[in-house]
Amino acid sequence: KNQVEQSPQSLIILEGKNCTLQCNYTVSPFSNLRWYKQDTGRGPVSLTIMTFSENTKSNGRYTATLDADTKQSSLHITASQLSDSASYICVVSAREYGNKLVFGAGTILRVKS
Amino acid sequence: EAQVTQNPRYLITVTGKKLTVTCSQNMNHEYMSWYRQDPGLGLRQIYYSMNVEVTDKGDVPEGYKVSRKEKRNFPLILESPSPNQTSLYFCASRSTGRASTDTQYFGPGTRLTVL
Repeated sequence: KNQVEQSPQSLIILEGKNCTLQCNYTVSPFSNLRWYKQDTGRGPVSLTIMTFSENTKSNGRYTATLDADTKQSSLHITASQLSDSASYICVVSAREYGNKLVFGAGTILRVKS
Repeated sequence: EAQVTQNPRYLITVTGKKLTVTCSQNMNHEYMSWYRQDPGLGLRQIYYSMNVEVTDKGDVPEGYKVSRKEKRNFPLILESPSPNQTSLYFCASRSTGRASTDTQYFGPGTRLTVL
């Protein structure tokens, strides 16, 4: 069964610190891997999209990495801000199923001052 | 402004009372879909539509219906809601279901409670 697993489930960090969120997937073959940010009570918003041939993609203070061989991705947040408090969702697009999106359960990040 | 809108944002209803959640996008996207989000679970797809009059089941379609009569609208219908359909629902759209790197845009969500 195609799955996307994220760790940790939740994380608390101090403002200004860096953090890294992990995503492991078994979806195969896959087209691309996406990271979304979901603020409480809002819809997810796309941060990055990486194809299988890319191993890193940045969006401001967010940097995603991808290792297609080990089927792992990470999202690194630099110099965290209070507004980074949100759920971060890893999503893998399954090529075999017409690019269906398979969602991880998310990592809840809380940045405190 | 490019956006996906949903209505209502919050709804409390009783078992068996038919309801419709509307979804509309202004980006001329072909592909639209509905998801539900429950605590501890990833978003799960209910139904999707590749274009007007083309719809198909997602992972959890039981108890739901959809229609796609116009490109911009994709309503979700619960003919006889039950308490296990209490959830947070998201509508989403992207330009096409075929290109693998299309950005998918989500609506703001509809929080449904079925008593």
